[in-house]
Amino acid sequence: DAMVIQNPRYQVTQFGKPVTLSCSQTLNHNVMYWYQQKSSQAPKLLFHYYDKDFNNEADTPDNFQSRRPNTSFCFLDIRSPGLGDAAMYLCATSRGRQGPSYEQYFGPGTRLTVT
Amino acid sequence: DAKTTQPTSMDCAEGRAANLPCNHSTISGNEYVYWYRQIHSQGPQYIIHGLKNNETNEMASLIITEDRKSSTLILPHATLRDTAVYYCIVRGLLRPNFGNEKLTFGTGTRLTIIP
Repeated sequence: DAMVIQNPRYQVTQFGKPVTLSCSQTLNHNVMYWYQQKSSQAPKLLFHYYDKDFNNEADTPDNFQSRRPNTSFCFLDIRSPGLGDAAMYLCATSRGRQGPSYEQYFGPGTRLTVT
Repeated sequence: DAKTTQPTSMDCAEGRAANLPCNHSTISGNEYVYWYRQIHSQGPQYIIHGLKNNETNEMASLIITEDRKSSTLILPHATLRDTAVYYCIVRGLLRPNFGNEKLTFGTGTRLTIIP
């Protein structure tokens, strides 16, 4: 089945130690998104790629970076994780971003713990 | 951006119809209403969307009032697997600025299906 895959499902990192989360998709979608969801809160968009075009949200901290080496893969890099970065990180894809039928497909998420 | 208001939580008996309300009184003419749900420890899942007409798919029905200021998501025969947080999202489309097209999740309604 075509899907959005996130690895690992659980990640533990140390305070200040860089960490990379990965997302892959078999849907061949043009757009890939990264969301942060803290405990008991709604998902919050960090940034997205439209093809190779990177679009950062205004309030996304500089500590968060992303890479998309090809259509299928997208990475979230946290350069110096703090305790406040502990959260579920969700990857999503959509075929496009303009048009009512372009719903987003979400992966299962990676739960990041910072010790 | 138009905002939505949803009840914090609701219960529904298994096998009955679950009716989830959403207020979006500031919605503008070209903004769609989307519903997503998030089952515990999973990524959000698209359910349905509409502009002004009622919509139905294999998962649910969406009833939008004539003035478009509110809507109701209906799960016709709720099962235990429908227990989730349901998000009502107003999403602008067909504009050049992506800021109108992203999914901005609110607090959602926690729906619990009672056996």
